[in-house]
Amino acid sequence: EIVLTQSPGTLSLSPGERATLSCRASQSVSSYLAWYQQKPGQAPRLLIYDASNRATGIPARFSGSGSGTDFTLTISSLEPEDFAVYYCQQRSNWPLTFGPGTKVDIK
Amino acid sequence: QVQLVESGGGVVQPGRSLRLSCAASGFTFSSYGMHWVRQPPGKGLEWVAVVSYDGSNQNYAGSVKGRFTISRDNSKNTLYLQMNSLRGEDTAVYYCAKGRVYGDAKPDAFDIWGQGTMVTVSS
Repeated sequence: EIVLTQSPGTLSLSPGERATLSCRASQSVSSYLAWYQQKPGQAPRLLIYDASNRATGIPARFSGSGSGTDFTLTISSLEPEDFAVYYCQQRSNWPLTFGPGTKVDIK
Repeated sequence: QVQLVESGGGVVQPGRSLRLSCAASGFTFSSYGMHWVRQPPGKGLEWVAVVSYDGSNQNYAGSVKGRFTISRDNSKNTLYLQMNSLRGEDTAVYYCAKGRVYGDAKPDAFDIWGQGTMVTVSS
């Protein structure tokens, strides 16, 4: 099973600041990595698929990069609605696995 | 609009069974692989199972294999999860999710999610 590790666990930032979230895989997942945003009481929402492709309707301030084992989600300038938990997920091998999440909260 | 609506959750005793349903609308349900993903209270996400577009192929997480069965009825645009021999560690919100690309039961990302249904396993 591919284990995904996310860092930091919590990121405390102010609106307008840049957020950089990391996801590391225990073995190569090529570019088969997705990012999701989840707000309290809501279902996850797909942000990025295949490492760097924004999903439909996702603002341009969200971008993804990386390949192999190291990936980054960047939010260029945090909006108030961006404070949430972010998960990465690999689709390289069964079983599909998620990282433990990074919480982005307001400083 | 594109929508997935889960139902069937509730409180159930350990060892008993429960069946979840997920009604789809707004997209061609019969063209896509469909998944169940669960989230224990206050914890992260765990993929549970996938079924192919035509119901012919399935795959399961090791933690549920042999106890849970995923199926679909394309005539009703509905996905199911039959959960048997339930355990306390199965307590979670269960989400149905649409595979982004594939009709087959292939590894995929999830582009549409339902709102979830809570399953609590407790005596």
